[in-house]
Amino acid sequence: SSDLTQDPAVSVALGQTVRITCQGDSLRNYYATWYQQKPGQAPLLVICGKNYRPSGIPDRFSGSTSGNTASLTITGTQAEDEADYYCNSRDTSGNQLGVFGGGTRLTVL
Amino acid sequence: QVQLQQWGAGLLKPSETLSLTCAVHGGSFSGFYWTWIRQPLGKGLEWIGEIHHSGITTYNPSLQSRVTISLDTSRNQFSLKVNSVAAADTAVYYCARTKVLLPYYYMDVWGKGTTVTVSS
Repeated sequence: SSDLTQDPAVSVALGQTVRITCQGDSLRNYYATWYQQKPGQAPLLVICGKNYRPSGIPDRFSGSTSGNTASLTITGTQAEDEADYYCNSRDTSGNQLGVFGGGTRLTVL
Repeated sequence: QVQLQQWGAGLLKPSETLSLTCAVHGGSFSGFYWTWIRQPLGKGLEWIGEIHHSGITTYNPSLQSRVTISLDTSRNQFSLKVNSVAAADTAVYYCARTKVLLPYYYMDVWGKGTTVTVSS
């Protein structure tokens, strides 16, 4: 299957921990990649691989995978973390296509 | 630091051809895939297709019949063409650099995006 499923919306209190999940068969073969997108901006890579953060991404962002489910965890969520988060992987049906989850809108209360 | 600069016509009429170009600054094509993604207003990201530095292309089956991605290594640019556009093609279009090395797959550099509107 080429689908990646995300919850449409999640909310978290300021300073608390939130987990955003992504489910799909392709995650058994490729690590999920996570992007943060704020209004009017291009997506920004925040987590890739097993749990790799590019330079400049705060260490409160972390990633993990179990079976066909990947998770993005934000520990000590800040107001500036309010954004849309997309997971991304590669379709393993044989066509080698890129695929995105539908996105999760994170609201910081 | 690699940067992607993209440009192209922002307003098209139905049935015209969408044409966008992405220039790669500060890096080479070798070892990467070069990808186009689009995002209708208020909606999620859609993978359009990619081109490997060798020239091999892969397209989203939903767009395959209308899409062409090409590479110009002499100019350090890659391009997207979408034929016979319709209102449903209205979106922000992004170019991105993609690394594929099983089990790793990620787009680490993105262009700023180009808004394309299809309207009669």
